[in-house]
This record gives sequence, C-alpha cells and structure tokens, in this order.
Amino acid sequence: DTGVSQDPRHKITKRGQNVTFRCDPISEHNRLYWYRQTLGQGPEFLTYFQNEAQLEKSRLLSDRFSAERPKGSFSTLEIQRTEQGDSAMYLCASSLFRTSGTHLYEQYFGPGTRLTVT
Amino acid sequence: SQQGEEDPQALSIQEGENATMNCSYKTSINNLQWYRQNSGRGLVHLILIRSNEREKHSGRLRVTLDTSKKSSSLLITASRAADTASYFCATSMGSNYKLTFGKGTLLTVNP
Repeated sequence: DTGVSQDPRHKITKRGQNVTFRCDPISEHNRLYWYRQTLGQGPEFLTYFQNEAQLEKSRLLSDRFSAERPKGSFSTLEIQRTEQGDSAMYLCASSLFRTSGTHLYEQYFGPGTRLTVT
Repeated sequence: SQQGEEDPQALSIQEGENATMNCSYKTSINNLQWYRQNSGRGLVHLILIRSNEREKHSGRLRVTLDTSKKSSSLLITASRAADTASYFCATSMGSNYKLTFGKGTLLTVNP
C-alpha cells in the first residue's frame, strides 16, 4: 500500500497525559499537512511541512502541540498535557509541491487517528 | 475557522436519483476541491476545479464554480448506495495550498 498511513488509528488517554501520533506520507510527496476534525465539522488546518521545514502553524496549535518531520519523510504530532477538548480525529495529508511546471493541488489523506481524552 | 459552507447539511435520496450539493466560500481562491469521507474515516479527493474554470466533469461527477458569487456545486448523477458519505468542499489560496473546509453535506442514498 503506497498511500498515507497513520499510527495509531485510535488512542484513548487520560487528561494530563502526553500522546504522540505518527504519519507516513506518500514517499515522493514533499509536503505534509496536519488537520484536526471534530464531530460534525470539516477538518481544520493545524500545520504543514515542506520537506523537513515547518512553514506554517495555525493559531489552533497551542503551545501544548508540537510537530516534527525530522528527515523530511514521516512526521509526528505530539500533544502534551492533553485536555478533553483535544478529543478529535487527527488527519494527515501529503502532496507533491512542484516549483516548476503544473502544480498538483490534490492532497492525499490518511485514515486518521481518533483521540479520546477521558 | 471554516471558509466554506455546504448546503444542504443533509440530503437523502433514492438510488438512481441525482444529488446536488452546494458550497459557498468567503475569500478569493486558487482552486476549489471536493472530498468524500465515509463514516469515521479519512478523506478521498474527488475533483478539483481551478479558479479560472467554470465547469468540470469526472465520471458521474460534475462540478461548477461561480467566482463572482463565490459558490460551487457538486452534482452526482445516477447515485448508488455506495455514494453514501459526507461530502466536503475545500478551498485553497496562497502558496501554502492548505485546505479550508466547510462543514460538509451528509448524503444518504437509499437502495
């Protein structure tokens, strides 16, 4: 399977604990995005990387959230001191950004990690 | 914050009928995309229309874009039970190409 994968698919944690999610993008894709989706809403942008550089962070991403993409391949999203309001589906997507030629705008999403904070 | 708003929020039709969903957005865009999400799962890209295009087709899908009204519509013809899902429009602008989604339309196709 050459699609975007995310691990774990489900995570239940107690309030105050730290959690870390992993995303493996499509191998040739240089851009990686994180989104958060709550019940009944569309996904909301959190942050994105081009290669290993984190280029933008949403104001939704509080200081408790940190994301990395150390070698420009997989990415991790860590939430420290989780709160009940962090309960959501965390989606990762990847795309191929071309600096020349026709850009491909489509993003390919992983299955998501569903986080439940009790 | 959500950029787009889909209308209707929910739509129930019989298999074989056409389904039309609308999306409105607020700011200028590079392109508008439609995604499908089956219950509790990831999103699947359906179709993209660029800001200088007015209509696009892909199989049973037809998308229109009216930039003067900041609106788009997605038509699914000859619907099937397997089309049951939530459908989201997403806009993209700027060089970051991040997507801004609406709240989605829940489509139910009854066999």
